[in-house]
Amino acid sequence: AQTVTQSQPEMSVQEAETVTLSCTYDTSESDYYLFWYKQPPSRQMILVIRQEAYKQQNATENRFSVNFQKAAKSFSLKISDSQLGDAAMYFCAYRSAPLNYGGATNKLIFGTGTLLAVQP
Amino acid sequence: DGGITQSPKYLFRKEGQNVTLSCEQNLNHDAMYWYRQDPGQGLRLIYYSQIVNDFQKGDIAEGYSVSREKKESFPLTVTSAQKNPTAFYLCASSRRAEKPAYEQYFGPGTRLTVT
Repeated sequence: AQTVTQSQPEMSVQEAETVTLSCTYDTSESDYYLFWYKQPPSRQMILVIRQEAYKQQNATENRFSVNFQKAAKSFSLKISDSQLGDAAMYFCAYRSAPLNYGGATNKLIFGTGTLLAVQP
Repeated sequence: DGGITQSPKYLFRKEGQNVTLSCEQNLNHDAMYWYRQDPGQGLRLIYYSQIVNDFQKGDIAEGYSVSREKKESFPLTVTSAQKNPTAFYLCASSRRAEKPAYEQYFGPGTRLTVT
């Protein structure tokens, strides 16, 4: 079974600085997807970024980027130029890639989250 | 505006009572999901449904039941058999499970407190 581990329960960063959140996962599959979700105090889950395992290029979305190391099964999130609005719980999630139509559940497996504080 | 609605935001029940949490989406998504969130444990899948009139158990289905009579609606019933029902419940939806991986859109959640 696949597992996702986030070893940093809490992190803190100064406004405008850069912070990296860690995520490791365990799987025997070769094709899968990885996601970072943000959960602000409102508790609304918001997709931050996604990575497809068969793509070697690291995904980037504005100030958010990932460092995907497939061999090491590592998927870290880098937030550049941190803003007060980035303060939230961040979850790493894994999803298997379907082998065929309807062959997978689109089930997400989540890590336990990292609570990010942004200091002004 | 397209999205997912969950009601109510806060729900209080006495122990031994069944309670139903509502989830409605107008995104025309085929798949819908229920997650439970507890402090320090991330999100865990309770039930999911890929099409109308079909649903499967997730990792922690015991004490819960669902129905999927309409594409837009996926209500979750927390029964008296659920030993620790107090939690935050999140509903999500997505397009069908096929490549590429479509993101799951989440509702605002319902905080259930059972005393």
